[in-house]
Amino acid sequence: QSVLTQAPSASGTPGQRVTISCSGSSSNIGSNYVYWYQQLPGTAPKLLIYKNNQRPSGVPDRFSGSKSGTSASLAISGLRSEDEADYYCTAWDDSLSGRVFGGGTKLTVL
Amino acid sequence: EVQLVESGGGLVQPGGSRRLSCVASGFSLSTHSMNWVRQAPGKGLEWVSYISSSSSTIYDADSVKGRFTISRDNAKNSLYLQMNSLRDEDTAVYYCARDIVGNTAMDVWGQGTTVTVSS
Repeated sequence: QSVLTQAPSASGTPGQRVTISCSGSSSNIGSNYVYWYQQLPGTAPKLLIYKNNQRPSGVPDRFSGSKSGTSASLAISGLRSEDEADYYCTAWDDSLSGRVFGGGTKLTVL
Repeated sequence: EVQLVESGGGLVQPGGSRRLSCVASGFSLSTHSMNWVRQAPGKGLEWVSYISSSSSTIYDADSVKGRFTISRDNAKNSLYLQMNSLRDEDTAVYYCARDIVGNTAMDVWGQGTTVTVSS
């Protein structure tokens, strides 16, 4: 059971906007930054969003992050087939003195 | 090219030990805090350990506390994970990952090395 809660799956059609949610608590999301990672099949994770809503260079602006209270969201607009991947949220947890991940959301592009 | 390359994975019996290595190239490891993250077959990501740039601060996940030890040798641009008392549930791909300087975002990841704990 992951400390951060994500829906196991999400789907959308090309061009659509999809949102992936991540729910936590006051000791993690509520008091620390949230980060999002994309993992394509058979590859290492890739940093997608840092500090709640910042994009590393090279990440398309179709990807955006937000945070409110103890929840965070990753939005993907203009969905493309290459966006089909697993998406993970993570944050530092003050109570556990460690990073915690969500269980991951598998995004399918129909 | 900025790169991390892990090695040391393999098959190990329950109760056994294994040492993983992660060599950095294209940048100086000494300015970055580092992490180990693992992924069991068909499962999600699990953070394992963190070490600050100077080794002064170390954090471990409860699941490995007292069994795994993270360390680094900045002169060799290398990161290590000593794994003792291995259990079946430690079977996973182990990734080393670099933190952005002054940040806790893991921006560079290795390709992973697989550890299988089985008799």
